[in-house]
Amino acid sequence: KAGVTQTPRYLIKTRGQQVTLSCSPISGHRSVSWYQQTPGQGLQFLFEYFSETQRNKGNFPGRFSGRQFSNSRSEMNVSTLELGDSALYLCASSLQGVGYTFGSGTRLTVV
Amino acid sequence: GESVGLHLPTLSVQEGDNSIINCAYSNSASDYFIWYKQESGKGPQFIIDIRSNMDKRQGQRVTVLLNKTVKHLSLQIAATQPGDSAVYFCAENTGTASKLTFGTGTRLQVTL
Repeated sequence: KAGVTQTPRYLIKTRGQQVTLSCSPISGHRSVSWYQQTPGQGLQFLFEYFSETQRNKGNFPGRFSGRQFSNSRSEMNVSTLELGDSALYLCASSLQGVGYTFGSGTRLTVV
Repeated sequence: GESVGLHLPTLSVQEGDNSIINCAYSNSASDYFIWYKQESGKGPQFIIDIRSNMDKRQGQRVTVLLNKTVKHLSLQIAATQPGDSAVYFCAENTGTASKLTFGTGTRLQVTL
């Protein structure tokens, strides 16, 4: 079966811009989580969506937001980009809270 | 490829030897644990998981041990191969939290 698909793979944006990242979960998985990975902070939880509802949220500013569509695909948006937002953004899907499967991530560079 | 972590603890093992990667967790309420392998330029890849009602679980060439008393998790890789070279992360979850908390990671280097 197809894995978790994230697009785009690479993105370069300028400070102050906004960005939207996309994640398509494994077919049948209704839970989609987003994580930020940086060398300094490691992997940190952003938020989790289940059946189009945000079920859990990490400690990130309101500039980070997300949504989930009826087909379980999810998007995350970062507004007013800062240099510190440069990171690998990872999406994971799961079936009933077990076996979280990650995508390859989107590498965001803010210049 | 991208750098996952610039100053990760590193474990160097010779090909064919067994590797043991350790992880301490902090939340005594965590009841589900996962080990992930991450290669450069890729997302974390699921290796093995274990629930808190178990203390050992075996997969193909891998074993996870859980010690809830001291909140310690370990991953044992038998007959380590060059393809095992990667960064390994432990992650913990509580049943209702629907989020994973990751450890800092350990870089495994396999020498020939």
